[in-house]
Amino acid sequence: EVQLVESGGGLVQPGGSLRLSCAASGFTFSSYAMSWVRQAPGKGLEWVSAISGSGGSTYYADSVKGRFTISRDNSKNTLYLQMNSLRAEDTAVYYCAKGPLIVATPNHYFDYWGQGTLVTVSS
Amino acid sequence: QSVLTQPPSVSGAPGQRVTISCTGSSSNIGAGYDVHWYQQLPGTAPKLLIYGNSNRPSGVPDRFSGSKSGTSASLAITGLQAEDEADYYCQSYDSSLSGFWVFGGGTKLTVL
Repeated sequence: EVQLVESGGGLVQPGGSLRLSCAASGFTFSSYAMSWVRQAPGKGLEWVSAISGSGGSTYYADSVKGRFTISRDNSKNTLYLQMNSLRAEDTAVYYCAKGPLIVATPNHYFDYWGQGTLVTVSS
Repeated sequence: QSVLTQPPSVSGAPGQRVTISCTGSSSNIGAGYDVHWYQQLPGTAPKLLIYGNSNRPSGVPDRFSGSKSGTSASLAITGLQAEDEADYYCQSYDSSLSGFWVFGGGTKLTVL
């Protein structure tokens, strides 16, 4: 059974940093691209970042480019999101999501999701 | 403002059929990229409902179906049930400057 468990969320001040983790199990982690998708309170879904199975290719939404860094440790079956220079508008539940292939093609989608971790950016 | 446009809400009585539209443009759906659909029950994570325009993952009832034509896509739900009350999101890829994977704004389905 595929399981994705996020952690690392919490309250952080504007301008601060936070690192999210996503522990994966139930599948061969290194064989699939992974993504982070966020949802602001009461709002819709927004794709944030994606990474290929090898970690060699990364992608970012314009809203987080230069501030967030996605990475993965395939030996630990764990996905990360390093978030720097956080803003109030980054407040959201952050979901880890698995893709169907080792690379994130244009027709990429999210076949399994974690339960999410809440990040609140506020002074 | 989402790149993909969905109606904010739809409703239907138990047993009825409802459809949810997802309207895009020539840089996303109209460019031939696949459309995928997700169901988000209250207080839970999204769940994949339809992938590749019209394919259902294992375990998704055949009451749910997807289609795509031109710059739009649709999700149809037949034999509406109370447990179908949820938010529904379409997703595709956009090749414009802002690029990459995009979601519709979401549609709240209310079962009357």
